[in-house]
Amino acid sequence: SQWGEENLQALSIQEGEDVTMNCSYKTYTTVVQWYRQKSGKGPAQLILIRSNEREKRSGRLRATLDTSSQSSSLSITGTLATDTAVYFCAAHNAGAKLTFGGGTRLTVRP
Amino acid sequence: DTTVKQNPRYKLARVGKPVNLICSQTMNHDTMYWYQKKPNQAPKLLLFYYDKILNREADTFEKFQSSRPNNSFCSLYIGSAGLEYSAMYLCASSSIPYEQYFGPGTRLTVL
Repeated sequence: SQWGEENLQALSIQEGEDVTMNCSYKTYTTVVQWYRQKSGKGPAQLILIRSNEREKRSGRLRATLDTSSQSSSLSITGTLATDTAVYFCAAHNAGAKLTFGGGTRLTVRP
Repeated sequence: DTTVKQNPRYKLARVGKPVNLICSQTMNHDTMYWYQKKPNQAPKLLLFYYDKILNREADTFEKFQSSRPNNSFCSLYIGSAGLEYSAMYLCASSSIPYEQYFGPGTRLTVL
């Protein structure tokens, strides 16, 4: 899992496998976003899930949000080598602020 | 075009010297952000502009300055760089409450 000042976690899997990354958050939020950062580029939003949604899907991605445990997960099915990146969750705070989680460095081996 | 540009991409600075980083966006976004990212850590919000209003995080209040001369440009200024400022600096912009568009970052190395 990931949050706050925790360092990046690392996962290495084989192409075609499914993967789930988890994060927990400490502050009240109504929106959790997942971002992906590829080498040499800035983070890009993958999926956004709101507190009134338990699950959100987008292509091979599936995000869940459990407000009672203040946790969220991102699953990728049928991973590709191009999914290799760092994945961050981010909680939306009051106003326009995001608080990012520690991140997971995912390596998908071809 | 959802591009956020940052200049320079790499910056080498001496301890005690000032540093100025530039960010631009052409999406007419009303909010622009600056984050600091250190290796193996998550991006940390330093400050953001909503229109012309600057909001700085409490724990970095005295370390960073910023200006936004117009809607498209935003700078991050370090008056006297220390070794601890070595990091990747990410600029982002947004016009809706949630999704932020990030630039590629400026890697600052302070020697």
